[in-house]
Amino acid sequence: AQSVAQPEDQVNVAEGNPLTVKCTYSVSGNPYLFWYVQYPNRGLQFLLKYITGDNLVKGSYGFEAEFNKSQTSFHLKKPSALVSDSALYFCAVRDMNYGGSQGNLIFGKGTKLSVKP
Amino acid sequence: GAGVSQSPSNKVTEKGKDVELRCDPISGHTALYWYRQSLGQGLEFLIYFQGNSAPDKSGLPSDRFSAERTGGSVSTLTIQRTQQEDSAVYLCASSLRPGDEQYFGPGTRLTVT
Repeated sequence: AQSVAQPEDQVNVAEGNPLTVKCTYSVSGNPYLFWYVQYPNRGLQFLLKYITGDNLVKGSYGFEAEFNKSQTSFHLKKPSALVSDSALYFCAVRDMNYGGSQGNLIFGKGTKLSVKP
Repeated sequence: GAGVSQSPSNKVTEKGKDVELRCDPISGHTALYWYRQSLGQGLEFLIYFQGNSAPDKSGLPSDRFSAERTGGSVSTLTIQRTQQEDSAVYLCASSLRPGDEQYFGPGTRLTVT
C-alpha cells in the first residue's frame, strides 16, 4: 500500500537559515512525488514534483527537494528561509505502477513551518 | 486562466440536513478529486473522477456521502443527514491527467451545528 510520512509536526527556523522539511514514502513501484504548501485560510498550492530524471528538483519560491531512492525520502529544502515561508507543507505520493483508474495522491499529515525574524 | 473554484466558501447547517458542495475544475482537466481536511489533520481522500470512467469512491466515509460529475466538468459533493463529525474543509482539485500535479480550489468550510 502507498503511504507518506512527515515525521515532524512542526519545524522552527530562524529567518536566513536553511530549512528542511522531511518526507518519506512507501510505494510498491516507482513514485511520483509532490510538495504542496498551504498558507493560512488558503487552498493548497503546488510547489514542485519529481517524476523521473535528476534527483534534485527545483520549484516555486526558491524551494527544492531531493529524491533519494535508497532512503525512500523526498525532503523539501530551502537555502535561506523567509518569514513569509511560514505555512503548512504537505508531501504527497502516487505509485506509478498502480493499475486501474486511480490517480489520486496520498498526502502526508503536513508539517507546520514557522520562520521567526 | 481561471483556477479551480468552489462554492459556497462557507456553509453552516443543522445536524440532519443535507448539503451540496460545488466544484468547477480548470477547463480541460480530465481528473477531479475531492478531499476533506479536518482541523489539525491532513487531507483525507474522498472520491476521484477520471473522464467518463466510473469514479473511485473508495475514500467516501459512509453512504451519506455521494458525488457526481456532470458532462466531465462541474462536480457536486452531497452529504445527506449531516452529522457534527462532518464539519471540515472540503477541498476540490483537478489535474490535466491522472497523476499530474493537482490544482486545488479554496475549499468549502462546512460547519454542522
